[in-house]
Amino acid sequence: GQQVMQIPQYQHVQEGEDFTTYCNSSTTLSNIQWYKQRPGGHPVFLIQLVKSGEVKKQKRLTFQFGEAKKNSSLHITATQTTDVGTYFCAGRGNNAGNNRKLIWGLGTSLAVNP
Amino acid sequence: DAGVIQSPRHEVTEMGQEVTLRCKPISGHNSLFWYRQTMMRGLELLIYFNNNVPIDDSGMPEDRFSAKMPNASFSTLKIQPSEPRDSAVYFCASSPMGTLHGYTFGSGTRLTVV
Repeated sequence: GQQVMQIPQYQHVQEGEDFTTYCNSSTTLSNIQWYKQRPGGHPVFLIQLVKSGEVKKQKRLTFQFGEAKKNSSLHITATQTTDVGTYFCAGRGNNAGNNRKLIWGLGTSLAVNP
Repeated sequence: DAGVIQSPRHEVTEMGQEVTLRCKPISGHNSLFWYRQTMMRGLELLIYFNNNVPIDDSGMPEDRFSAKMPNASFSTLKIQPSEPRDSAVYFCASSPMGTLHGYTFGSGTRLTVV
């Protein structure tokens, strides 16, 4: 079945350093979403990417969708302690049968040393 | 809007007891999702509804789990009888119907079965 792999599983950075998490799908995706979950919290929707090669920015966060629509990345510039949490990607399949369900990665947990 | 409202926030119950989790989606959101989150398995989709109709319950672990959505503003997830391995955080999420929307998650119910 369709799988979405996320790497790394954990990342520990010093405040001010950059951070990147990668998401790879076993199949072509129709779109991909990114969520952030703070410790003890719930996933919060950040963004959705739809087009091949799409790049979107939210302040210090840059999201990319690969040309083949099988991979995506989230890059945070100059991390802050408020960036701490787990970042999930969730891909939506390209086939009518599985198109409505999001397939979730296991997340990348980010820790930031002040 | 108050967002997606789940109750209770925490539930501790003894093995064999019935557990009922409740969710009120955002008004106007036609899709509702029940997820279970554990460290080992991440976020697992249990079941989802469109316009109060169950569409895919293939993620429901076994017959001990059941979900209902009697109207557009209320859904329940029931576990009967509960077992220690059911201990997890259960999230409800809602979204407008369609594939171009992010999900809004509730704060979750942390279930502990002893």
